[in-house]
Amino acid sequence: DQQVKQNSPSLSVQEGRISILNCDYTNSMFDYFLWYKKYPAEGPTFLISISSIKDKNEDGRFTVFLNKSAKHLSLHIVPSQPGDSAVYFCAAGGTSYGKLTFGQGTILTVHP
Amino acid sequence: EPEVTQTPSHQVTQMGQEVILRCVPISNHLYFYWYRQILGQKVEFLVSFYNNEISEKSEIFDDQFSVERPDGSNFTLKIRSTKLEDSAMYFCASSVDPSAKNIQYFGAGTRLSVL
Repeated sequence: DQQVKQNSPSLSVQEGRISILNCDYTNSMFDYFLWYKKYPAEGPTFLISISSIKDKNEDGRFTVFLNKSAKHLSLHIVPSQPGDSAVYFCAAGGTSYGKLTFGQGTILTVHP
Repeated sequence: EPEVTQTPSHQVTQMGQEVILRCVPISNHLYFYWYRQILGQKVEFLVSFYNNEISEKSEIFDDQFSVERPDGSNFTLKIRSTKLEDSAMYFCASSVDPSAKNIQYFGAGTRLSVL
């Protein structure tokens, strides 16, 4: 199932700089998208979401951009902090009753 | 802040044995889900549950799997006869409703090891 793809397995960023995590999808029926963060030994924690009728949603340091024509979304973290180091999952929903389809995840490392 | 709790955190079992993974969803949530993540792979949807019925299940959720809400607080996943390939992290999630307006909150997971 490759409907949601995160092509970068890892990303390394300096503290204070911008982190950009990318996600591509293939299913046009997805109508909302979410980013989750996951620390080791914990469950995914919701970060931010965006509906397909919007192209941007912002919450503090986190902004999600959606480009429907390209079937691409990205998560921007500005400024990045060492505590942001985690695995970030892109997920998509709307094709059926609550089911979320996840990407493979991107390991973000923010260096002090 | 309310949270989804899962027990046990780690379950070790022998192949062919039955296991029950337990979850306590957030109290005012009505929709419940199980996902799993095999080591090194994606988080995969297993099943969604509402009003004491399965709303949807994936291909993975075959006859060996069942879910139940035995009382007003618990939500369980049973694997009748475990296989080696069932070894994974199992996550329970809950939401107020399944729409985009209401996010799914996840528990910390149960690591199932089938020997």
